[in-house]
Amino acid sequence: AQKVTQAQTEISVVEKEDVTLDCVYETRDTTYYLFWYKQPPSGELVFLIRRNSFDEQNEISGRYSWNFQKSTSSFNFTITASQVVDSAVYFCALSEVNTDKLIFGTGTRLQVFP
Amino acid sequence: GAVVSQHPSRVICKSGTSVKIECRSLDFQATTMFWYRQFPKQSLMLMATSNEGSKATYEQGVEKDKFLINHASLTLSTLTVTSAHPEDSSFYICSARNPNGGETQYFGPGTRLLVL
Repeated sequence: AQKVTQAQTEISVVEKEDVTLDCVYETRDTTYYLFWYKQPPSGELVFLIRRNSFDEQNEISGRYSWNFQKSTSSFNFTITASQVVDSAVYFCALSEVNTDKLIFGTGTRLQVFP
Repeated sequence: GAVVSQHPSRVICKSGTSVKIECRSLDFQATTMFWYRQFPKQSLMLMATSNEGSKATYEQGVEKDKFLINHASLTLSTLTVTSAHPEDSSFYICSARNPNGGETQYFGPGTRLLVL
């Protein structure tokens, strides 16, 4: 069965600190996609990244970086030099190629204090 | 990216009334749209998959007759909560898959429903 685990329920940091959000997934398929979404207080889910199972290269986008490791079934997300605007709930999600469904983790609420 | 809109953003209604929520893909055609429900401080739960021109596929435990889904065009899907009750109060959010964006689902801004 597919499952996404975000063990960190809430994280609080002070501005400019680096923070890593963990995501561990389970799937029987060899082909799948992993996603991260950001949900600010307004409620809208903002797409951050998609990674397919064959691409284990880490990715950096500005202050955001992602570490995909198939060996540990993890897809962790790091925010460098965090800012107050980064405060949100972050969801990790999994979808398999043969289905359209997204399986979400329970989310990690990040609070960045000035 | 892709833009998905939802209307209304917020609705308050009396118990027993029906509420329609619209989800539109603004800059792409979506053969598939999805409806999710999110309770406060919880994750998103998929309610149903909406397919253009055919019946929606509902997840286990979701009442088809209560949550009517219509996907009449490639840019519009509607969710109607029929005979709403206070326990239907929730945040409803739709998404659309952009065929040119691979497997990525783009989400609307959500609709907060409060049933009195």
